[in-house]
Order: sequence, then structure tokens, then C-alpha cells
Amino acid sequence: DIQVTQSPASLSASPEEIVTITCQASQDIGSSLLWYQQKPGKSPQLLIYSATILADGVPSRFSGSRSGTQYSLKISRLQVEDIGTYYCLQVSSSPLTFGSGTKLEIK
Amino acid sequence: QVTLKESGPGILQPSQTLSLTCTFSGFSLSTYGMGVGWIRQPSGKGLEWLANIWWDDDKYYNPSLKNRLTISKDTSNNQAFLKITNVDTADTATYYCARFPTNWGATYFDYWGQGVMVTVSS
Repeated sequence: DIQVTQSPASLSASPEEIVTITCQASQDIGSSLLWYQQKPGKSPQLLIYSATILADGVPSRFSGSRSGTQYSLKISRLQVEDIGTYYCLQVSSSPLTFGSGTKLEIK
Repeated sequence: QVTLKESGPGILQPSQTLSLTCTFSGFSLSTYGMGVGWIRQPSGKGLEWLANIWWDDDKYYNPSLKNRLTISKDTSNNQAFLKITNVDTADTATYYCARFPTNWGATYFDYWGQGVMVTVSS
């Protein structure tokens, strides 16, 4: 199975700061990585697919990048409404595997 | 407008079989490249993928649940189903279904249901 190691587990940042969350895949998954935001009590919302493509309706302050088997989600100019937990998901091969999540809080 | 809604028993006892239904609208599971998946989340914990079913009835399961999972679909009624046999307290979670289309080689869960809470308790 492909493991996806997500870090950090939690972070606290101030509005307008830049935030970066990373996922490390245990083997080559190409661009088959997704990013989700989940707010408390809500279903996950797709932010990024194919590692770098912004999903419809997602603010442009969110971006995804890839370097080999390391994937990053960047939030530039953090907003208060960005609080929640962020997950990566590899969809390269079955079983699909989620990262363990990053809980983002606003200072 | 794409919508999905999960339904289930709410509470069941250990060793019983959990039957979940995902009723959706705005797309068809008979469309080439279309899929639906099930994902669960214990309270306060992370997400776990369980199973996917595709338009051509191809199915994929999470082997961590061994042979306890069965996914199926009723295309004419726009429903997908998941059964989990021999449940125990570790299966207590919110269960989500989500659309899983393939577009230009990219696949992703794009629309999710609101989730249904399932409690396993004696």
C-alpha cells in the first residue's frame, strides 16, 4: 500500500500569513494527489486535484505543488475562514490513502 | 446540481451487518468514467477510504477491512450501497459517500454527501 505522511499535525498562524502543509508519498504517485479542507461538522471540500489544479470555486490563495514524491498545499494570505482540518489523498492506486490531517487554527 | 445523501440504521449491535445507502442526483453511474466511493471518519479522527464502484461495475475495496465490505449500485434508481459485515465498536463513525468521476485522466472525490452517523453498541 502507498503511505502518505502528512505534516504538521497542527499549526497556528495569523491572518495574512503564508501557510504550507506537506504530504510525502512512500512511492511515486505522479500527480495523483488531492487536497481537501474539512470544517468542523462538515463534509470535506475538494481544494486541489492532480497535485496542482485548483478545483472550481476555490479561492486563488490556495495552491498545490509537487517535488518528486513530496506534495505541498500553500495558503497565501491566510483568512479567518480557512480554519479547519486539511487532508491529502493519494488516488494513484488502491487502496486510496489519506494523510493523517493538519488542523489549522488562527492566532 | 449534484447531490448525494447517505442513509443508514443509526445504531446497531456488534456482529450485525451494516447496510448503507447513498442516494444521488445530478449524475448517472452509468456514465463512462463515473464512480462513487465510501469514506468513513470516526469522531475526532481522520478519514479512511473504504470502497469505490465504477460505471462498469468494477469495484475496489480497502483490504484493511478484509472481506467484510460489499459495494453495489442500482443505476436505474441512482443509488449506491455499502455493506459491512460483522461490525464492532471500531466501525462507529460518520460514513460519507462521494462522487468519483474521471475527467481527462484526473480522478477525485468532488461532491460529498453530508454523512450519516453510525454507532455500534451493545
